[in-house]
Amino acid sequence: NAGVTQTPKFRVLKTGQSMTLLCAQDMNHEYMYWYRQDPGMGLRLIHYSVGEGTTAKGEVPDGYNVSRLKKQNFLLGLESAAPSQTSVYFCASSAIVTENTEAFFGQGTRLTVV
Amino acid sequence: EDQVTQSPEALRLQEGESSSLNCSYTVSGLRGLFWYRQDPGKGPEFLFTLYSAGEEKEKERLKATLTKKESFLHITAPKPEDSATYLCAVRAAGGTSYGKLTFGQGTILTVHP
Repeated sequence: NAGVTQTPKFRVLKTGQSMTLLCAQDMNHEYMYWYRQDPGMGLRLIHYSVGEGTTAKGEVPDGYNVSRLKKQNFLLGLESAAPSQTSVYFCASSAIVTENTEAFFGQGTRLTVV
Repeated sequence: EDQVTQSPEALRLQEGESSSLNCSYTVSGLRGLFWYRQDPGKGPEFLFTLYSAGEEKEKERLKATLTKKESFLHITAPKPEDSATYLCAVRAAGGTSYGKLTFGQGTILTVHP
């Protein structure tokens, strides 16, 4: 009964380092999303994917890259981390869009860039 | 561009004091408006989906309603365990925003005993 799993849960990076956040879902969902959440800012969409092999930019894509090579996985990469990327990152997935298809969220990754 | 604005930013209630949270939206064709609850340190948890103006859904002390421009989350006789951040989101119907899910900034609800 895993749902959406994010790896890692916590990470501290030095400015300029790179890392990849992994999101895995076991619900055979088509759509996957990466958000960042900062105090007072709500959830801001970084990138999303409407199917395997596809990606699209959200509201705040700069400094991030993504890949969806397998349907169940959505990777978020930071090539050169900056302190402004300190945030809590959430991954979500949902089934092919119908009228009443909600997104399921992972437990979040807390990233600190020093 | 899709936009979601929630008000108020924070709301403090006494236990039993009913109130409403507002979610105003603009979207290129609405394919669903979603309400989520988020507890500190956790991911958002789904509450409701609304699709058509006039639609209403209820769950325990919560009732969500939808018009063409906004949605309300009514909380009747709240309890301290209803304290959380409530998030509203809209999904666009098509065009370049197909599948995109946009959130508001949330309303922090605190219910005092």
